Amino acid sequence: NAGVTQTPKFQVLKTGQSMTLQCAQDMNHEYMSWYRQDPGMGLRLIHYSVGAGITDQGEVPNGYNVSRSTTEDFPLRLLSAAPSQTSVYFCASEAGGPHNEQFFGPGTRLTVL
Amino acid sequence: AQRVTQPEKLLSVFKGAPVELKCNYSYSGSPELFWYVQYSRQRLQLLLRHISRESIKGFTADLNKGETSFHLKKPFAQEEDSAMYYCALYSSASKIIFGSGTRLSIRP
Repeated sequence: NAGVTQTPKFQVLKTGQSMTLQCAQDMNHEYMSWYRQDPGMGLRLIHYSVGAGITDQGEVPNGYNVSRSTTEDFPLRLLSAAPSQTSVYFCASEAGGPHNEQFFGPGTRLTVL
Repeated sequence: AQRVTQPEKLLSVFKGAPVELKCNYSYSGSPELFWYVQYSRQRLQLLLRHISRESIKGFTADLNKGETSFHLKKPFAQEEDSAMYYCALYSSASKIIFGSGTRLSIRP
């Protein structure tokens, strides 16, 4: 079991460029989420999904799109990168239910110039 | 509004001293609370959950509904406890609300 994997580990973009952060899990978890981690602000939820074909917005969704065509994959798309999107991005998956833990990926460090 | 507050950005204590990382929450229902930890160069991982009433690595956390708190405690700090700690509130499936985090530094 690889758990939750994320690619790339590091990325530098120029303002206005677009890109997709990849996230995959092999635990057959229904629930997946994307967070961004910023100093002094903790982790903030960007988008989440409760199953294939179902996505919803979190706390800070603007500038990001997601899709969930399979249980395994949950890519995060930056439509037109801005310096404010410089952050560390974490993907997480969860089996479901209030007593289940979130399993996190290793993170993607994104810098937008 | 659902919210998790960790008032301390940094907590520095000596090895062997007691540790208490504060967490307060705002939630209208019956809360499900967790502590997550991120050690240097490692993934964020679950430390403990209040529903289990467990002690992990010597840490415990008690839910106090009257004070809406879920403080993390350890009687004797160890150097390997140095890490970033996040208090988290389960809002709904795949929707966890995290606090801003407290960096714990254990001095030798």
